[in-house]
Amino acid sequence: NAGVTQTPKFQVLKTGQSMTLQCAQDMNHNSMYWYRQDPGMGLRLIYYSASEGTTDKGEVPNGYNVSRLNKREFSLRLESAAPSQTSVYFCASSEGFQKQFFGPGTRLTVL
Amino acid sequence: GQQLNQSPQSMFIQEGEDVSMNCTSSSIFNTWLWYKQDPGEGPVLLIALYKAGELTSNGRLTAQFGITRKDSFLNISASIPSDVGIYFCAELRGGGKLIFGQGTELSVKP
Repeated sequence: NAGVTQTPKFQVLKTGQSMTLQCAQDMNHNSMYWYRQDPGMGLRLIYYSASEGTTDKGEVPNGYNVSRLNKREFSLRLESAAPSQTSVYFCASSEGFQKQFFGPGTRLTVL
Repeated sequence: GQQLNQSPQSMFIQEGEDVSMNCTSSSIFNTWLWYKQDPGEGPVLLIALYKAGELTSNGRLTAQFGITRKDSFLNISASIPSDVGIYFCAELRGGGKLIFGQGTELSVKP
């Protein structure tokens, strides 16, 4: 089992460009999450999906959209990237609300 | 915004030393979680605490849920080089939402 996988690992965008971060899990988990991590800070929740077909905002949803494509996949989209969105993005999944398993992260730089 | 305060922000210790870090909150928690993040990786859950006063161990790690339900500490005994990383406390809220502290970065000198 691969656990939680994320693509791409690294990305550089120009201000105003759009992109989608992909996340997939092979643990048959119902819940999936997107976080961002900035230097000197813990992870902050952007969006989450408690089950297939549902999505909800987290702490810092502005500038992002998400799609729970199926039970395995949960994507994060930046429609018009801004330098403030330079960060490391982590996807996670869990069964119920307990132990969350995190992916390796996507390092995004917006110039 | 975040309501969790972790201290210290960073620690530099010698291999073999014991380590202690803590986390405080302005509000009462129901669940304390401690995560470790290795360089370049996502966080991994170390210990989960569910009851005030609970003391839980995982190998060389020991964590306690404060009686006031507003704090928690994590101790690492006899540190080794692979303990290097960032340690986060987190609160589990409704809907599975995790609220993280700022992290304690641990460096271990062999």
